[in-house]
Amino acid sequence: DVKVTQSSRYLVKRTGEKVFLECVQDMDHENMFWYRQDPGLGLRLIYFSYDVKMKEKGDIPEGYSVSREKKERFSLILESASTNQTSMYLCASSFMGGSGNTIYFGEGSWLTVV
Amino acid sequence: GDSVTQMEGPVTLSEEAFLTINCTYTATGYPSLFWYVQYPGEGLQLLLKATKADDKGSNKGFEATYRKETTSFHLEKGSVQVSDSAVYFCALRPQAGGKLIFGQGTELSVKP
Repeated sequence: DVKVTQSSRYLVKRTGEKVFLECVQDMDHENMFWYRQDPGLGLRLIYFSYDVKMKEKGDIPEGYSVSREKKERFSLILESASTNQTSMYLCASSFMGGSGNTIYFGEGSWLTVV
Repeated sequence: GDSVTQMEGPVTLSEEAFLTINCTYTATGYPSLFWYVQYPGEGLQLLLKATKADDKGSNKGFEATYRKETTSFHLEKGSVQVSDSAVYFCALRPQAGGKLIFGQGTELSVKP
């Protein structure tokens, strides 16, 4: 089975803190994604990466950065956390190629910024 | 741009009732279509998918058929169970790959 593991399920951080959300996949997938999920707004793409050290902005990249130093690991960084970044964050991965490749999701990380 | 529209919830059904959740899409070319399910407090799990027109995806009693002529991918189940209570997301992945584009999600509640 494909496994996408997010290191932290629940985090509480203070405004202004630097926050790291870590994600690891075990299927040698080229593509990795970070989504944010909010009630009434659905799922929105923050960043994605199609290879090591490669990244592209998604729909809502402001206030976030990412790092992909190894193929299996994709980190989401909140440089200075703010209360409007309180949300559920979902990491995902897939093989590169056509549209038929399934994107697999992790369990999610619930972040509260106080 | 590409988009997905699905029926708004919440949908409340009695156990053993028939379920339909409507999903329509707008996309260029030949996207793949997906249904994901999210149980409370969890991430998204793939429920089923279809990669070309007239394909039928099926899993756990759920079915959906890729209808290019009506740009639809409606989710159906003949007899729902309490354990099917969850949020269901319709999504498309463009022909070239890349990110998933999601509908807003439909919350399903099944009562005994």
